[in-house]
Amino acid sequence: KNQVEQSPQSLIILEGKNCTLQCNYTVSPFSNLRWYKQDTGRGPVSLTIMTFSENTKSNGRYTATLDADTKQSSLHITASQLSDSASYICVVSVGQAGTALIFGKGTTLSVSS
Amino acid sequence: GAGVSQSPSNKVTEKGKDVELRCDPISGHTALYWYRQSLGQGLEFLIYFQGNSAPDKSGLPSDRFSAERTGGSVSTLTIQRTQQEDSAVYLCASGTRDPPMGYTFGSGTRLTVV
Repeated sequence: KNQVEQSPQSLIILEGKNCTLQCNYTVSPFSNLRWYKQDTGRGPVSLTIMTFSENTKSNGRYTATLDADTKQSSLHITASQLSDSASYICVVSVGQAGTALIFGKGTTLSVSS
Repeated sequence: GAGVSQSPSNKVTEKGKDVELRCDPISGHTALYWYRQSLGQGLEFLIYFQGNSAPDKSGLPSDRFSAERTGGSVSTLTIQRTQQEDSAVYLCASGTRDPPMGYTFGSGTRLTVV
């Protein structure tokens, strides 16, 4: 069964600190993996997209890693800001054309001052 | 427009009524998805349109749910005889076909069935 599991479910950190969110998947055949940020009341916004051959991709203070062998991905947030408070969703595309998307339930991050 | 537009942003309806939710995708995007997000839950796939191909309806939870996409652009999700468990945020996303694909989500329609 194609599944995407994220941990932790929720996280609270102090402003300025770093954090790492985890995503484990059992999806076959794998096409690509994305991390989305979803602010409360808004639709998800793409942060990074990685294919099988990519190990690391950065977008500002966000760095995503992918280990296709262990089927794990992480999203590292550096020097967190209050505006980073949101849900972070890991999404894996299935199939050669990558047309089926499997969503994790997300990690809710709260950054406090 | 520049993004995916959904309307209405909020909808409150009485149990048993029919509702229509609209999604206006990014111009030129051939792929369109409908998802719903219930409180505290992840995104649940509903239906997928790709160009002129037959839609993938495998995620529709019951025959009360249907969706159309006219002219390969605007899509309408219809829920008939709404039930309280239909209350959720309904999200639409559009994208291109060729992988790796970047899908853009709309802000969603918050449906509340009372």
